[in-house]
Amino acid sequence: QVQLVESGGGVVQPGRSLRLSCAASGFTFSSHAMHWVRQAPGKGLEWVAVISYDVTDIHYADSVKGRFIISRDNSKNTLNLQMNSLRTEDTAIYYCTRDFTIIPFDSWGQGTLVTVSS
Amino acid sequence: DIQMTQSPSSLSASVGDRITITCRASQDISHYLAWFQQKPGKAPKSLIYAASNLQSGVPSKFSGSGSGTDFTLTISSLQPEDFATYYCQQYKSHPRTFGQGTKVEIK
Repeated sequence: QVQLVESGGGVVQPGRSLRLSCAASGFTFSSHAMHWVRQAPGKGLEWVAVISYDVTDIHYADSVKGRFIISRDNSKNTLNLQMNSLRTEDTAIYYCTRDFTIIPFDSWGQGTLVTVSS
Repeated sequence: DIQMTQSPSSLSASVGDRITITCRASQDISHYLAWFQQKPGKAPKSLIYAASNLQSGVPSKFSGSGSGTDFTLTISSLQPEDFATYYCQQYKSHPRTFGQGTKVEIK
């Protein structure tokens, strides 16, 4: 079955960097657009970024544009999020999720917690 | 950016009640509207896509309707496992914005 497993979260100081990964299995990873969605403690869901199946189309939320970079390695079935110049407001659980044909976000990972604190 | 507004932000209901959550888009999104359920400490779960299509495995007590700017999610008979937070999301364009969520609590 579809599995998405995030990793790379942790505690980091403001201004530093962190790289998240999402390992995908159980489906043809190279055929699907992939997204990162985050959720600050006690808050709602916030879409972060998307990358198309073939890396030709990438979009970011304004809140992370210029600081975060989404990428993928279709040979390794892995989605990545390079987070630079981290701010306290980036503290959140980060989920990876996919689009399945016409169905958005049909499967989600369990999330990885990023805490930005001095 | 398209803004999504859900109402109410929270509601209290009893087991067996029928409830309706509304979601309004700041511009026409046609049928590009999805609903998600999230329980505490868990990842969100897809319920409905394209405004009214039930995701595989989701019970038929959940239903969605609407198009354009106004949408609803209805749960026909609340059960204990349905107490959760529900989010709408538009996927007409990027950024893919979510509503602020509706927390359904036990009365």
